[in-house]
Amino acid sequence: QQQVKQSPQSLIVQKGGIPIINCAYENTAFDYFPWYQQFPGKGPALLIAIRPDVSEKKEGRFTISFNKSAKQFSLHIMDSQPGDSATYFCAARDGTASKLTFGTGTRLQVTL
Amino acid sequence: NAGVTQTPKFQVLKTGQSMTLQCAQDMNHEYMSWYRQDPGMGLRLIHYSVGAGITDQGEVPNGYNVSRSTTEDFPLRLLSAAPSQTSVYFCASSYSSISNQPQHFGDGTRLSIL
Repeated sequence: QQQVKQSPQSLIVQKGGIPIINCAYENTAFDYFPWYQQFPGKGPALLIAIRPDVSEKKEGRFTISFNKSAKQFSLHIMDSQPGDSATYFCAARDGTASKLTFGTGTRLQVTL
Repeated sequence: NAGVTQTPKFQVLKTGQSMTLQCAQDMNHEYMSWYRQDPGMGLRLIHYSVGAGITDQGEVPNGYNVSRSTTEDFPLRLLSAAPSQTSVYFCASSYSSISNQPQHFGDGTRLSIL
């Protein structure tokens, strides 16, 4: 059973476009929602994170939107660049169990 | 700082063999964890530790053992390798399991079981 559902599986956008990656969850014990970026041959690296008492968080070109009532959150990449081409994972942390649950990942390709 | 160091980077085993994947961190982090990454399945938690001497099971613990004798090291043992354990394994650490601290990942061990 996938506790964090991520879509789409892959995404191709042109340089300057705004890719959007969506995640949904059911477990109300989740209290922390990070996004990770992974380049080939490397481990995931934390990109940006949000808590459920905030509806939006921006860091540079990356924005998380959070809808607590719908149990959904999404990552937007403004003015996307070829260097943003990577796999992106959403995740959710269960504070009661000290565990991080990952989505299945979205492979993003930004073309020139 | 080296961060999280995983060894080896690549390994090929035969079915039934055992081996230990090493993980070390130099950030004095209390929380450490092991994940496996398979195509289309994201990262799944195998085992984790909230401090030296304390370990617990994650989502997919069968076939794996861990121990945490020091803060720095968190080895993962495959007892009798099976082809289903072919995967990329990542070790991660964070300052605390309670606060919302970012997890730092190693670069992974790519394991093939023949």
